Amino acid sequence: TQLLEQSPQFLSIQEGENLTVYCNSSSVFSSLQWYRQEPGEGPVLLVTVVTGGEVKKLKRLTFQFGDARKDSSLHITAAQPGDTGLYLCAGGSRDSGGYQKVTFGTGTKLQVIP
Amino acid sequence: DTEVTQTPKHLVMGMTNKKSLKCEQHMGHRAMYWYKQKAKKPPELMFVYSYEKLSINESVPSRFSPECPNSSLLNLHLHALQPEDSALYLCASSQGTYYEQYFGPGTRLTVT
Repeated sequence: TQLLEQSPQFLSIQEGENLTVYCNSSSVFSSLQWYRQEPGEGPVLLVTVVTGGEVKKLKRLTFQFGDARKDSSLHITAAQPGDTGLYLCAGGSRDSGGYQKVTFGTGTKLQVIP
Repeated sequence: DTEVTQTPKHLVMGMTNKKSLKCEQHMGHRAMYWYKQKAKKPPELMFVYSYEKLSINESVPSRFSPECPNSSLLNLHLHALQPEDSALYLCASSQGTYYEQYFGPGTRLTVT
């Protein structure tokens, strides 16, 4: 069974602070996505990383895929209240039947206080 | 159009009722998914349809019955549910190599 552990589970910070969320596994993934979800809504795709060592930036958000494609991190600079939400990483792979499968991480609940 | 729609938004049903959840996408995606999500937890995969055929069933109880009438539509038929089945039910679709999924807003289901 593939597992993706995220840390921290919960994070409450003041507006303007920086933070990093980690997503770790012992399994190799073909790609890794990060999503943000607000209460009562579906997850919204933020980014996909596919190459080991890849770094992608989306405004104040920086995403990195580990060299071995087993882990990833999300760094937010100068957090804003609008960044509040549940952050989910998700790893893509193929199951024993050859079908695409996505494994979601355990989630990080971020609260940014004005 | 990158939207996945789900109806209804909210559903309250008794344990003897039969109801259906609907999902629609017009992005030409060939894979569609049903997930169940409890509060503050990640989504749990239930079913995957690939090219309108059921490809993955994650040992979901038979009181949940999926259906894919065509490449744009996905239904989840519900019958004799239990209170512990109350959750947010999410539909998603994907196409391509990199496993990116596009989610609908979900149906908040309450079983009384």
